Amino acid sequence: AQRVTQPEKLLSVFKGAPVELKCNYSYSGSPELFWYVQYSRQRLQLLLRHISRESIKGFTADLNKGETSFHLKKPFAQEEDSAMYYCALRTTSGSRLTFGEGTQLTVNP
Amino acid sequence: GAGVSQSPSNKVTEKGKDVELRCDPISGHTALYWYRQRLGQGLEFLIYFQGNSAPDKSGLPSDRFSAERTGESVSTLTIQRTQQEDSAVYLCASSPLGRGAGELFFGEGSRLTVL
Repeated sequence: AQRVTQPEKLLSVFKGAPVELKCNYSYSGSPELFWYVQYSRQRLQLLLRHISRESIKGFTADLNKGETSFHLKKPFAQEEDSAMYYCALRTTSGSRLTFGEGTQLTVNP
Repeated sequence: GAGVSQSPSNKVTEKGKDVELRCDPISGHTALYWYRQRLGQGLEFLIYFQGNSAPDKSGLPSDRFSAERTGESVSTLTIQRTQQEDSAVYLCASSPLGRGAGELFFGEGSRLTVL
């Protein structure tokens, strides 16, 4: 069965510092990986997906199949990046999305 | 509507009572998910509906939990004989087919408190 692991429940950085939110997965096939974000008092929403290879709000994530990782990175964190971030995996069978436990990011001024 | 709508937004009930939570997905979205989010924890998959296929019920924690969906519209999640450990936010999400599949659109959730 597929599994998503986010080793850090809490992550705190200062504004302007680089940030990396870790995500590892276990799945024997070729997964689709996503990052979802939930800002305070807002709905959970898609941030980015690996197949798009795009940068959203300065965030990027590269799928590393060798290390089975999909870490989320931003070179210069902003206070408005403070939120809960979830990594998610979807198998090639096109069924359900499996989420990690989430990482609460706090960007301090 | 503009997005996924869930009701009630808040529900307080006594242990042992049944509760029903409702989800109105985005029109045209064939996939519908229910997740549970306990305080301080991640999203726990409950059930997944995809069109006319048999639902994936593998995440339902016990036989007290059940869910139905009428066609490709409204879904209800029913919890019978509620227990205190059922207290959580229950999130519904819908997703389209095709290229957009995989992007889930979430509702605001139904917060359930079992006393």
